[in-house]
Amino acid sequence: EAQVTQNPRYLITVTGKKLTVTCSQNMNHEYMSWYRQDPGLGLRQIYYSMNVEVTDKGDVPEGYKVSRKEKRNFPLILESPSPNQTSLYFCASSLQGSTDTQYFGPGTRLTVL
Amino acid sequence: GENVEQHPSTLSVQEGDSAVIKCTYSDSASNYFPWYKQELGKGPQLIIDIRSNVGEKKDQRIAVTLNKTAKHFSLHITETQPEDSAVYFCAASRNSSASKIIFGSGTRLSIRP
Repeated sequence: EAQVTQNPRYLITVTGKKLTVTCSQNMNHEYMSWYRQDPGLGLRQIYYSMNVEVTDKGDVPEGYKVSRKEKRNFPLILESPSPNQTSLYFCASSLQGSTDTQYFGPGTRLTVL
Repeated sequence: GENVEQHPSTLSVQEGDSAVIKCTYSDSASNYFPWYKQELGKGPQLIIDIRSNVGEKKDQRIAVTLNKTAKHFSLHITETQPEDSAVYFCAASRNSSASKIIFGSGTRLSIRP
């Protein structure tokens, strides 16, 4: 089944404890991206990647890192999480870019205490 | 920076009536305008999209219109049904080396029986 998977689905952590949220797609898509969803603010793009080893900042990249060492994986790294990073996070992929259909994962709900 | 404004934030309509959600965008170079539907507990899914070379697109009960001069596009749902209840997001992007996607803040649509 073609899909985008994220892990973990739920995570409660404390301020400053490094964490990684994994994202994987099995559709051989070139474009992958991370979003955070907050009430009243919609979906805001954090980082995106056009291909392996090519990443770029979205609208809200502060406090986040990403890497794209393989085509199928695009992990999101929070090196020192803070409470304002408490949010619902989505990974998405598309065939080639931002003007193709985005396929979203199921989401990761992160709480930083 | 680029911005997409979406209205209304909440919308309640009687089953069988029509629903209209409106978005305006700021980047005149935007040329791709998708609409995503997010059901409770799930990631967003594309329901319809339109590119800048057309003014209107229909898919059964759903239609999208685009006015490039006014930088405005709208989602129209006719003969609404209970399963149309969800959060809807508009978005805008363009083909360029900086391939970001800007989403609106979302509209929570409720269908009254």
